[in-house]
Amino acid sequence: EAGVTQSPTHLIKTRGQQATLRCSPISGHTSVYWYQQALGLGLQFLLWYDEGEERNRGNFPPRFSGRQFPNYSSELNVNALELEDSALYLCASSLALRKGRISGYTFGSGTRLTVV
Amino acid sequence: GNSVTQMEGPVTLSEEAFLTINCTYTATGYPSLFWYVQYPGEGLQLLLKATKADDKGSNKGFEATYRKETTSFHLEKGSVQVSDSAVYFCALSDSTGGFKTIFGAGTRLFVKA
Repeated sequence: EAGVTQSPTHLIKTRGQQATLRCSPISGHTSVYWYQQALGLGLQFLLWYDEGEERNRGNFPPRFSGRQFPNYSSELNVNALELEDSALYLCASSLALRKGRISGYTFGSGTRLTVV
Repeated sequence: GNSVTQMEGPVTLSEEAFLTINCTYTATGYPSLFWYVQYPGEGLQLLLKATKADDKGSNKGFEATYRKETTSFHLEKGSVQVSDSAVYFCALSDSTGGFKTIFGAGTRLFVKA
């Protein structure tokens, strides 16, 4: 069974440009989560999508946005890139909520975004 | 709001030493608790979990017990190996947090041969 796949693995952009990151969840997982892991810092929650809808959003500016497609894959868009957006962006998927609890995430290997 | 606090690293141990990484949490509901591990250059992997008080999660020789009275979920392993060198993240998830998972800052473990 394929795991969570993210593309590209590395992305270099210039300040002010837009970046698009992609994620394919494990087959059967309907929830997709995006996290930012800046160097030396922990994981900061960005976005949660389930069944095609945005369910929750972290404390990030509106230039961070995304969507989930009918096949449950997801895209994260970052507009007007700033130097401090340089980080590892991790995508995770999980099974649908059961009795109000999740079983844990399966993470992809991440996309390393560098803004110069 | 929900939060997770774990001991700062790095933690450096010799092979076969006993490992403890402390983790405490603050949550308004009844969270599920997790430990994730991140090996160099990789994403995070779920190591173990516990969903209610007094549950013990275990995997690959690691274990952690959900202690509601002390709001803790400390990670332990009786005998570490060089291959256990990684960053370990404590995390929680509950309905009051919208089911998003909150992660601690991570603790880097170095195991010397």
